[in-house]
Amino acid sequence: GAGVSQSPSNKVTEKGKDVELRCDPISGHTALYWYRQRLGQGLEFLIYFQGNSAPDKSGLPSDRFSAERTGESVSTLTIQRTQQEDSAVYLCASSPGTGNEKLFFGSGTQLSVL
Amino acid sequence: SQKIEQNSEALNIQEGKTATLTCNYTNYSPAYLQWYRQDPGRGPVFLLLIRENEKEKRKERLKVTFDTTLKQSLFHITASQPADSATYLCALDPSGSARQLTFGSGTQLTVLP
Repeated sequence: GAGVSQSPSNKVTEKGKDVELRCDPISGHTALYWYRQRLGQGLEFLIYFQGNSAPDKSGLPSDRFSAERTGESVSTLTIQRTQQEDSAVYLCASSPGTGNEKLFFGSGTQLSVL
Repeated sequence: SQKIEQNSEALNIQEGKTATLTCNYTNYSPAYLQWYRQDPGRGPVFLLLIRENEKEKRKERLKVTFDTTLKQSLFHITASQPADSATYLCALDPSGSARQLTFGSGTQLTVLP
């Protein structure tokens, strides 16, 4: 597609349920990022994928969070046993993967945990 | 600890004036710095990138400066318009690879007609 696509755009779930968020990066972009943005705050790095290299998971806040990427395409971010503090906008971005470069963001998934 | 601070949470200016936003950082030695614009309900959109060996970068009505001695970047919008109203984020990458781009919390700019 023309840009980074994320789905769903909104997700409301009950505390303790698992959720799965999806990201379709720009075709040909080898780098993919997940960020979390709490209301009124900056972006918090979660995880980074680059080609076939091992992902950089250093930003994942707990073992309830995991992410996968299929080759150089779709990525899913899974949050298990959701907590109210997980409520935030989850943003995905991609880039060509050549370094020194800008990120292209999707519109995000607004997650609300009740 | 490493920290990025943007000078104020909100900035209101009159249409036609120059808006100046500040990004200060501590305990980083970034290879480059980026500025993004974020509108409500949308993801950030890239505006400008400036490298550590560059003092200034311009793009249309936008100008960014980068002072590695002061550990500060200034972002200017000249002849501001109401359509420039948005949140502006600065982001640092110490490595130059965008592997872990770190963002400030942003400054919300409102340009009043």
